[in-house]
Amino acid sequence: DSGVTQTPKHLITATGQRVTLRCSPRSGDLSVYWYQQSLDQGLQFLIHYYNGEERAKGNILERFSAQQFPDLHSELNLSSLELGDSALYFCASSPGLAGGRVEQFFGPGTRLTVL
Amino acid sequence: DAKTTQPNSMESNEEEPVHLPCNHSTISGTDYIHWYRQLPSQGPEYVIHGLTSNVNNRMASLAIAEDRKSSTLILHRATLRDAAVYYCILPDTGGFKTIFGAGTRLFVKA
Repeated sequence: DSGVTQTPKHLITATGQRVTLRCSPRSGDLSVYWYQQSLDQGLQFLIHYYNGEERAKGNILERFSAQQFPDLHSELNLSSLELGDSALYFCASSPGLAGGRVEQFFGPGTRLTVL
Repeated sequence: DAKTTQPNSMESNEEEPVHLPCNHSTISGTDYIHWYRQLPSQGPEYVIHGLTSNVNNRMASLAIAEDRKSSTLILHRATLRDAAVYYCILPDTGGFKTIFGAGTRLFVKA
């Protein structure tokens, strides 16, 4: 158990809908990262938040947005869902902005299925 | 971000050592080398990381070439549970984002 929790575990929805994925980092970790993993694309970095502020964006679509709240939990919002958004979404946390000196701890993921 | 190159797959026998190579010829002097693995149906799991010196922990050893352009993750005695995709990555120095490649899928035979 990494200490990172994600809810829900599974989510099934229809095209055009909007969903929210939630992540609670390890106690004390200020950084939260979101990743998308689909069958044919591997693990893709989406976005990174540090202590409530966005620090980096990766391959995140405009239909997707995220935020990190004062209690450090984070939410990833996916809207106007398309079939291709079906994937595993992982969040990870790390203590801070220590560059490569610290590791990331990954949650168990949320499996999103868009029908 | 510096790029890493790993073989697509490798095979090992149970209870034998496994050496997983990674090339990172464009590594900068401040880039740490990280290894993660992903077991089936699970999130990635941290394995080990290092900067210049070889590193050991309870899971594995990391051997870093003197010029730092390559590294090798060593599993001393592979078990069936070690069958996973292993990722070698170089997180950017700000820690802002982490780019994962395709990794190496390790198959372990009983």
